[in-house]
Amino acid sequence: GEDVEQSLFLSVREGDSSVINCTYTDSSSTYLYWYKQEPGAGLQLLTYIFSNMDMKQDQRLTVLLNKKDKHLSLRIADTQTGDSAIYFCAEEVGLYGGSQGNLIFGKGTKLSVKP
Amino acid sequence: DVKVTQSSRYLVKRTGEKVFLECVQDMDHENMFWYRQDPGLGLRLIYFSYDVKMKEKGDIPEGYSVSREKKERFSLILESASTNQTSMYLCASSLYAAGDETQYFGPGTRLLVL
Repeated sequence: GEDVEQSLFLSVREGDSSVINCTYTDSSSTYLYWYKQEPGAGLQLLTYIFSNMDMKQDQRLTVLLNKKDKHLSLRIADTQTGDSAIYFCAEEVGLYGGSQGNLIFGKGTKLSVKP
Repeated sequence: DVKVTQSSRYLVKRTGEKVFLECVQDMDHENMFWYRQDPGLGLRLIYFSYDVKMKEKGDIPEGYSVSREKKERFSLILESASTNQTSMYLCASSLYAAGDETQYFGPGTRLLVL
């Protein structure tokens, strides 16, 4: 079945870059997503990448996609204490014979930023 | 901006009680989802709905039911709450659009069953 794997913890110092990695299984996914969850809150869409792209940059965020290896990464430049949160990778999977439907989420990577 | 709201941020119930969790979205989205989130287990899909009065089981539907009488509202029902249903419950909605499954989440309801 579909599965999304990501490491559970990452700790970085303020000002350093953070790289959160994710592997997925469904090669037919059209979009792949990164969500952020701050303590006590719901998930917030951070960014997404279309599957025919290798890279997407949005201010301090860079998403890299390696379709061959089914590997997705999120790089946060100049990480700040406010970036401390849980980051979820998600891939879309079909509901009925490949049509649009659900997202499969990884278990989330808890990013801790030390001052 | 898409807005997804959930009726309660925190809820405390007793074992055996019937519990209703309400979710409302204001963007005319067709799809709505209920997840529970537990430490070390990530998000697990309980039920989803792709249209009014339609529902589909997710990965862990046991002990739950849902209701979607209106497009904007998706209710999760715990028929007889048990302590193992203590969790964070997250509602989400998405537009029915080819190739774009972006889900928008509510703030979550933290449920404690005593």
